[in-house]
Formats: sequence, structure tokens, C-alpha cells
Amino acid sequence: NAGVMQNPRHLVRRRGQEARLRCSPMKGHSHVYWYRQLPEEGLKFMVYLQKENIIDESGMPKERFSAEFPKEGPSILRIQQVVRGDSAAYFCASSPSRTGWNEQYFGPGTRLTVT
Amino acid sequence: LAKTTQPISMDSYEGQEVNITCSHNNIATNDYITWYQQFPSQGPRFIIQGYKTKVTNEVASLFIPADRKSSTLSLPRVSLSDTAVYYCLVGRDDKIIFGKGTRLHILP
Repeated sequence: NAGVMQNPRHLVRRRGQEARLRCSPMKGHSHVYWYRQLPEEGLKFMVYLQKENIIDESGMPKERFSAEFPKEGPSILRIQQVVRGDSAAYFCASSPSRTGWNEQYFGPGTRLTVT
Repeated sequence: LAKTTQPISMDSYEGQEVNITCSHNNIATNDYITWYQQFPSQGPRFIIQGYKTKVTNEVASLFIPADRKSSTLSLPRVSLSDTAVYYCLVGRDDKIIFGKGTRLHILP
């Protein structure tokens, strides 16, 4: 049973470009969470999605960031017009149900570097 | 969500038992206490969760006093591979709120 997959593992973008981060949840999991981690910091919640629905996006910046989890395919976190401050590790987690406190399984993360 | 306080860093030696204590004075009645572990360049991994008294699994033990205002994660006989950041989390919401955690460094 494969774990949570994220790709790419490393992504370099110039300022103003778009970044697309992909997350494939564990088999049988329909709940996906995105977190951002700055160097030497803890993870910060961004958004929680179920298939085709955004459940909680209270941690998403108001502009340039969007997320989706289509009926088919991986969840996508999109960052438009990236800036240096977007450089961070982005982690995706999945769970089989909504009460995910002890059932969130994390992927290896995507490290975004904006030059 | 209850705020947690834990040491920023700890050092220990291989073979020793390590105890990391977390304070959560304003824990709510329905809140659970959960610990995650994060190795460098990896995503966090669930270690253990408890509500009261003591919980033990193959990785660690979690001790929770009667007032639940603190908890202690106990790692028996640590090895170099236990070097990681350990996060104490309190709550029962969908989204996990991580603090800065405790950086545990195991020395040979």
C-alpha cells in the first residue's frame, strides 16, 4: 500500500512564474490537507479538501494560492506569480475520514525555491 | 485549540530513556493529546495519542496526569535514528496546528 505521494520533490521557480504541486493520497483516502513549513518552523495548515470540495481554506493566503482535489487525479496546490517568500516545504497529508487527528499520513513534501 | 509549550531542544545519549514534557494548561474537556515525529527532509509521522492516564505502543509511551494540563512522551532506549523534531499537539479539529516542537539530538 503506497504512502502519500508528492511531486515534484524539488521545484525551482523564478519570481512571477507559477508553481504546481501535486499530491496523491493513500489508497482509500478521500481527505487531503496541505501544510507549509518555513525553515526552522513548525508546519502551518493551509487547506483541507475532500473530493471536489474545499472544506476549510482558513490557512490559505487570500491571493495567488488555490487548491483543488478533482474527482479523478491528484490534489493540486497552485501558486501563481511566486515571490521569494513562497520558498518553503509544502506537505500534503491524507486521511480516510474527517476526524484526522491521529490518522493524517504525510507525504515527503515538495521543496519550493523561488529565485 | 489549546496552546502547548515544550522545550526547544534536548540532547541525550544512545541507550537512554528520553522524556519530553509538554504543557497545555488550557486543554479542553474533549481534547486529545497527540505526538508527531519529523525527521529532516521528511513529513511528520504520527507517534501516539492519548486522552488520560497512560498509553503505550511499540514506539513510545504517553503519560498524562489526572489534571491533563501536561503530558510526557517517553522514548525507551533511544538510538541515533531517533534524532528528530517531536511535536506535541492538543485538540480535536480537522486541521493540525503545529508549534516549533522539540529538537531531540541523540549522541553516540
